[in-house]
Amino acid sequence: GESVGLHLPTLSVQEGDNSIINCAYSNSASDYFIWYKQESGKGPQFIIDIRSNMDKRQGQRVTVLLNKTVKHLSLQIAATQPGDSAVYFCAEVNTGNQFYFGTGTSLTVIP
Amino acid sequence: DTAVSQTPKYLVTQMGNDKSIKCEQNLGHDTMYWYKQDSKKFLKIMFSYNNKELIINETVPNRFSPKSPDKAHLNLHINSLELGDSAVYFCASSQLAGVGEQFFGPGTRLTVL
Repeated sequence: GESVGLHLPTLSVQEGDNSIINCAYSNSASDYFIWYKQESGKGPQFIIDIRSNMDKRQGQRVTVLLNKTVKHLSLQIAATQPGDSAVYFCAEVNTGNQFYFGTGTSLTVIP
Repeated sequence: DTAVSQTPKYLVTQMGNDKSIKCEQNLGHDTMYWYKQDSKKFLKIMFSYNNKELIINETVPNRFSPKSPDKAHLNLHINSLELGDSAVYFCASSQLAGVGEQFFGPGTRLTVL
């Protein structure tokens, strides 16, 4: 089966610092990756995605980096704010349109 | 307007009962999904429908039966509920299957006693 794992289950950062959340995936044939944010009591919310033909994509305060050589994905959040506190999931999608989610990293922003 | 809605939000029931969770999306999307999230926050896809046709059916007990009366609705019926079915169930939709942003509903917390 597929395996998407996160290196750190919890992460605490000071407000204003940058956050980096890491994710390892196992299927080298996966061609699409997505980061989701889930706040307490809510459904996951799409943050940013990246295709396997790219190694970097930027959004508003977020950057996703993809290293296909080591099958590693990261989400960088610039100037982390208290509203960024949530659980973050990476997901890989293979060529059969099957989604596999990681176990999540809980980000806590310390004011 | 709520993009993806689910009912009920909370569902508490006894083992062996049959229950349904309803999902509706008003985004005009072609694809809808059901996910299960366990107590450790692990999120696993269960089913995916594209234009009322089943396209993904992960290894899920056949006690779970999705039904899509039209492309805006994807309901989940569960027969003979078991303790291990307790989880939060999320419905989601996307414009295209397997690509692009998925919009998730608020979740249905199912507790089986």
